[in-house]
Amino acid sequence: GAGVSQSPSNKVTEKGKDVELRCDPISGHTALYWYRQRLGQGLEFLIYFQGNSAPDKSGLPSDRFSAERTGESVSTLTIQRTQQEDSAVYLCASSLAGSILYEQYFGPGTRLTVT
Amino acid sequence: GQQVMQIPQYQHVQEGEDFTTYCNSSTTLSNIQWYKQRPGGHPVFLIQLVKSGEVKKQKRLTFQFGEAKKNSSLHITATQTTDVGTYFCAGPGEYGNKLVFGAGTILRVKS
Repeated sequence: GAGVSQSPSNKVTEKGKDVELRCDPISGHTALYWYRQRLGQGLEFLIYFQGNSAPDKSGLPSDRFSAERTGESVSTLTIQRTQQEDSAVYLCASSLAGSILYEQYFGPGTRLTVT
Repeated sequence: GQQVMQIPQYQHVQEGEDFTTYCNSSTTLSNIQWYKQRPGGHPVFLIQLVKSGEVKKQKRLTFQFGEAKKNSSLHITATQTTDVGTYFCAGPGEYGNKLVFGAGTILRVKS
């Protein structure tokens, strides 16, 4: 079946521009997560959506970062006024439910390069 | 907040040698998950441990959860070049509402 998909796969943008990254979770998965992974580094949690609950935004690094999710489907991560330190792979993951007992399925990621 | 500390950060082994990565927490974990990320790829779920002292095997991979549920390990017997990648453990965050990933252990296998 279809896994988690993300678009675009690669994005090169100029410093100061806004970018929008998209994630399509697995159908029926109520939980959705965004992570940032810098080159050779671990997974940095950004934001978590679970059903209709208020999202957990505790990992967003600054107010330039925001994310939305439409119901239990598509999510978009927006970075405003991009900076070079925003360059990273942005990974989206979904799970059947918000419980930590469910495995997370990751998308292929969006590689963002800010020049 | 809750953190899971993972060691070593990096290991380079000769093909055929064994490899172990450790995940430690200062508090009791309700569960722990392990993921593998191949170079250039995305993390893929390997296994979840829930019970104290639990041991699970997947071919050459052995996963253990400590008796106190504060540590876990992943051991690979006789590594192969296909084992290269980064291995992450993940445990509950401070409020138990989401997983927190360890920093990962990068495994390189020399043939």
